[in-house]
Amino acid sequence: AQTVTQSQPEMSVQEAETVTLSCTYDTSESDYYLFWYKQPPSRQMILVIRQEAYKQQNATENRFSVNFQKAAKSFSLKISDSQLGDAAMYFCAYSLLGIQGAQKLVFGQGTRLTINP
Amino acid sequence: NAGVTQTPKFRILKIGQSMTLQCAQDMNHNYMYWYRQDPGMGLKLIYYSVGAGITDKGEVPNGYNVSRSTTEDFPLRLELAAPSQTSVYFCASSYSRLADSNQPQHFGDGTRLSIL
Repeated sequence: AQTVTQSQPEMSVQEAETVTLSCTYDTSESDYYLFWYKQPPSRQMILVIRQEAYKQQNATENRFSVNFQKAAKSFSLKISDSQLGDAAMYFCAYSLLGIQGAQKLVFGQGTRLTINP
Repeated sequence: NAGVTQTPKFRILKIGQSMTLQCAQDMNHNYMYWYRQDPGMGLKLIYYSVGAGITDKGEVPNGYNVSRSTTEDFPLRLELAAPSQTSVYFCASSYSRLADSNQPQHFGDGTRLSIL
């Protein structure tokens, strides 16, 4: 089965500190994409960062970076200099290939991140 | 440019009723998707479409139907509503395969559906 596991239901961090959210996945495909999405209380799904599985270099987007370990099927998200606006549910996801190249996303159960002022 | 628009935002249905969740996008995207999010869970794919007239099942298609007659619209139909379909439904779209561009899936704001 194609699955995504986020082992931390909840995390909290002090403002300005660094926090790492864990994600492991199981797929038989060799070419895929990995994502972290943020869902604030407004319910919007906001893309935080993405990683192509064929790239060894870890993706970075400003304060957000990933640690991608392909052999271990691990994809953790590091948030540096945490800000109050980072408080949200964070979902890890990877893409399954659908018909005509469509990307079907498989999501984990999420990690609720709290930022303490 | 409104992006992905979902209507209604909230709806209560009785068991056995039917309804259509609407999704429209104005970005000329080929690919459109329907997901559901149960309380405390991640999103699960229901159906998706790669263009007008072409749809395919996702992970949890039972109890739902879709059609795609235009590029802009991708409605989701519930024929016989059941309590297990109580969820938040998200529609998403993307221009092309992610492998060909940096375009991610754009999500709508969701429809909260309660079946009582």
